[in-house]
Amino acid sequence: DAKTTQPTSMDCAEGRAANLPCNHSTISGNEYVYWYRQIHSQGPQYIIHGLKNNETNEMASLIITEDRKSSTLILPHATLRDTAVYYCIVRNRAAGNKLTFGGGTRVLVKP
Amino acid sequence: NAGVTQTPKFRVLKTGQSMTLLCAQDMNHEYMYWYRQDPGMGLRLIHYSVGEGTTAKGEVPDGYNVSRLKKQNFLLGLESAAPSQTSVYFCATQTDTGQDRGYFGPGTRLLVL
Repeated sequence: DAKTTQPTSMDCAEGRAANLPCNHSTISGNEYVYWYRQIHSQGPQYIIHGLKNNETNEMASLIITEDRKSSTLILPHATLRDTAVYYCIVRNRAAGNKLTFGGGTRVLVKP
Repeated sequence: NAGVTQTPKFRVLKTGQSMTLLCAQDMNHEYMYWYRQDPGMGLRLIHYSVGEGTTAKGEVPDGYNVSRLKKQNFLLGLESAAPSQTSVYFCATQTDTGQDRGYFGPGTRLLVL
């Protein structure tokens, strides 16, 4: 599985957009980029995923660079409830669909 | 539709004791996974299963065994618990399409004294 690199932590102001970067320079052509978050010590929660194109859903937007070596998760209007650890994961369907978690980015949304 | 459930929610063991954690899902998913999460760390894959009757080792399989006798259940066993196995254990499931999101259970908190 491709390794991902994320900043350890970041702060964000409530109501502003939060942009979370992720590097995955060794990603291969059939690997998807997934984002999950973990609030406190709950089970991880799915946010969004993509292969090549940018994606948007009710929670967030995912921007993947053309060379697919990096991506950015955008939370358009951060709220205090978005405070969590965010994990960027590259998943290889051929390898048991395993989700390999790194250290993630600890996001603190401040009032 | 309960999704993914884990039993028990919390357990305290003494070193050397054994126990089994149960993960149950009602979504008819083929793939099931067991992860552990130590304080301040990300999740690490212990074992996984791509279908009924099959299991495979993950990143940190030592000290654990698993079984998938029924499609809806994935059991994680600790034969002789050690303090190093104190952790939060998460189960996850997904379909075999490759594009599906993973569904995680609420976790089992295990303390080994």
